[in-house]
Amino acid sequence: DTGVSQDPRHKITKRGQNVTFRCDPISEHNRLYWYRQTLGQGPEFLTYFQNEAQLEKSRLLSDRFSAERPKGSFSTLEIQRTEQGDSAMYLCASSSGTSGQETQYFGPGTRLLVL
Amino acid sequence: EDQVTQSPEALRLQEGESSSLNCSYTVSGLRGLFWYRQDPGKGPEFLFTLYSAGEEKEKERLKATLTKKESFLHITAPKPEDSATYLCAAYPQGGSEKLVFGKGTKLTVNP
Repeated sequence: DTGVSQDPRHKITKRGQNVTFRCDPISEHNRLYWYRQTLGQGPEFLTYFQNEAQLEKSRLLSDRFSAERPKGSFSTLEIQRTEQGDSAMYLCASSSGTSGQETQYFGPGTRLLVL
Repeated sequence: EDQVTQSPEALRLQEGESSSLNCSYTVSGLRGLFWYRQDPGKGPEFLFTLYSAGEEKEKERLKATLTKKESFLHITAPKPEDSATYLCAAYPQGGSEKLVFGKGTKLTVNP
C-alpha cells in the first residue's frame, strides 16, 4: 500500500497562467476526491469521482477549474487563467467506497502560489 | 447547512498534561465522523472513524468518542511529538460524498 501520491508538491505560477496537478490514488480505491485548503481553514470539497465518472462538483469549482479521471485510475485537476485567490493547498483523497470502508485517505497535497 | 465547529482553536499543553478537543457537528444525519492529524505543509493523516453514538476508539495516547451532537478527542499524557493540528470531519447523509471539515485545533505540547 503506497498511499495517495500527488505531483507536483509545490507550484509557483504567474496570474493568468494555466496549471495542472496530478493525483494517483491507492491502487484498489475506486473513489477519488479533490479538496482545497487555505491557511487556518479545514479542507473544502471540490469534486468527487467514482471510477471515471465525475459524480459531484462543489459550487466552489468555477468554470476555470476542470478535473478528469480518464481511466478510473489517476486524476488531474486543471486551473485555467489562475488568480491570486487560487493560492491554496490542493489535496487529493481516495476511498474504497464499500460500506464500512468510507474513510478517505489523503495525499501530501500540492501547494499552489499564484503571483 | 451542514457545519462542523472545533474548539479550542489552539491549545498549549505541558508534556504529560492530559486534555480534550471538542468537535460539534450540525448535519442532516451522520454517516460517520472522522478525525485526522495534520502536520505543517502535509496532508491530513487518518486517525479514527466513528459511526454511532457511544462508540469509542483508541490509538496510543489518543481516544475518540462520539455522541449525537459532538465528538471528543482525548489526549492522555501527551508528548511533544503529538503537536499538530487535529481536524474533525463529518460525513453527512443525503447523497453527497463530501466530508465537511472543521477549522481544526492546533495543539502544541511543550517539553
